[in-house]
Amino acid sequence: EAQVTQNPRYLITVTGKKLTVTCSQNMNHEYMSWYRQDPGLGLRQIYYSMNVEVTDKGDVPEGYKVSRKEKRNFPLILESPSPNQTSLYFCASSLDKVAYEQYFGPGTRLTVT
Amino acid sequence: GQQVMQIPQYQHVQEGEDFTTYCNSSTTLSNIQWYKQRPGGHPVFLIQLVKSGEVKKQKRLTFQFGEAKKNSSLHITATQTTDVGTYFCAGRGKLSFGAGTTVTVRA
Repeated sequence: EAQVTQNPRYLITVTGKKLTVTCSQNMNHEYMSWYRQDPGLGLRQIYYSMNVEVTDKGDVPEGYKVSRKEKRNFPLILESPSPNQTSLYFCASSLDKVAYEQYFGPGTRLTVT
Repeated sequence: GQQVMQIPQYQHVQEGEDFTTYCNSSTTLSNIQWYKQRPGGHPVFLIQLVKSGEVKKQKRLTFQFGEAKKNSSLHITATQTTDVGTYFCAGRGKLSFGAGTTVTVRA
């Protein structure tokens, strides 16, 4: 089954404790991206990757890091989480950046206290 | 990035009624995509519009891309409880999602 998986689905952590949210897709997609969703703000792109070892900032990259060492994986790293990073996070993948639909993962709800 | 605005932010609809949600961009879009997110779920792709003035239908849903490729609309006829959720438009390229229109249905 074609899918995007994310782990963990729920995470409660404390300020400053480094964490990683994993994202994996099995569709051989080149394009992957991370979004955060906050009430009233919709989906805002954090980072995206056009292919292995190619990443770029989205609209709200501050406080986040990503890596793309393999085509299927695109982890999101919060080196020092802060309460304003409490949000619902979605990973998505697509054949490319422009012309194809994005497939979204199930989401990770993160709470930083 | 591109600014994509959606109106209204909330739409409360009586079951059986029609409604329209609008998506407006500050710049010309190469294409536009629509997604639906059910409560507690993740966004799911509905459709993509590419051509100026393009109209596509999916059962009770009608999607339109403006002539200038700067706006789009989603019209739902005879709303059903299954239509509940948030509808997002997204301009590809420098991808930007609108804030969405959250639809609730009164039975």
